[in-house]
Amino acid sequence: EAGVAQSPRYKIIEKRQSVAFWCNPISGHATLYWYQQILGQGPKLLIQFQNNGVVDDSQLPKDRFSAERLKGVDSTLKIQPAKLEDSAVYLCASSLPWGAAGNTIYFGEGSWLTVV
Amino acid sequence: ELKVEQNPLFLSMQEGKNYTIYCNYSTTSDRLYWYRQDPGKSLESLFVLLSNGAVKQEGRLMASLDTKARLSTLHITAAVHDLSATYFCAEHTGNQFYFGTGTSLTVIP
Repeated sequence: EAGVAQSPRYKIIEKRQSVAFWCNPISGHATLYWYQQILGQGPKLLIQFQNNGVVDDSQLPKDRFSAERLKGVDSTLKIQPAKLEDSAVYLCASSLPWGAAGNTIYFGEGSWLTVV
Repeated sequence: ELKVEQNPLFLSMQEGKNYTIYCNYSTTSDRLYWYRQDPGKSLESLFVLLSNGAVKQEGRLMASLDTKARLSTLHITAAVHDLSATYFCAEHTGNQFYFGTGTSLTVIP
């Protein structure tokens, strides 16, 4: 079974530039998450989609971050303009719709962003 | 405020020894998850604990959940070098996961 795919794996940009990350979840997973993981910390949820609707984006810095999930499958996370503190790993994850016993979320390998 | 706290944050242990990682969480969630992360890699699901008193074991790792104490433990038995990684616990509440800060484990020969 194919896992969660993310690209690009690595990106270095200058501050004030823009960047976009792409995610393809596991087939059949209706729920998609974007997490930000700063070095030495646990992942922090940025946004959660159920199909193509937003369930929670309360921790998404909306002045610079945006995300969309067209057609309820792939998703894109954009940062514009980037700041130095945005340097982190951006993890995409997916899961079945919540409520299934033992449900867990599956993570992609992450997109490593360095802002210089 | 939702909090998931792990301790220790850093753990260095010799091969063959036993140790326990603790995860305290702040809500009445009855679902607790453990993940492993190797350097430069993503998070891999280890255990899903769904009820009070749940205990799960896989190889040298055993996880348990006490919802009354809002505590989960990850016990390592006779550690081997391959267990070196960062371990995260995560609670599930309100349709979201909240992750702890992680425990970085290094097993020394």
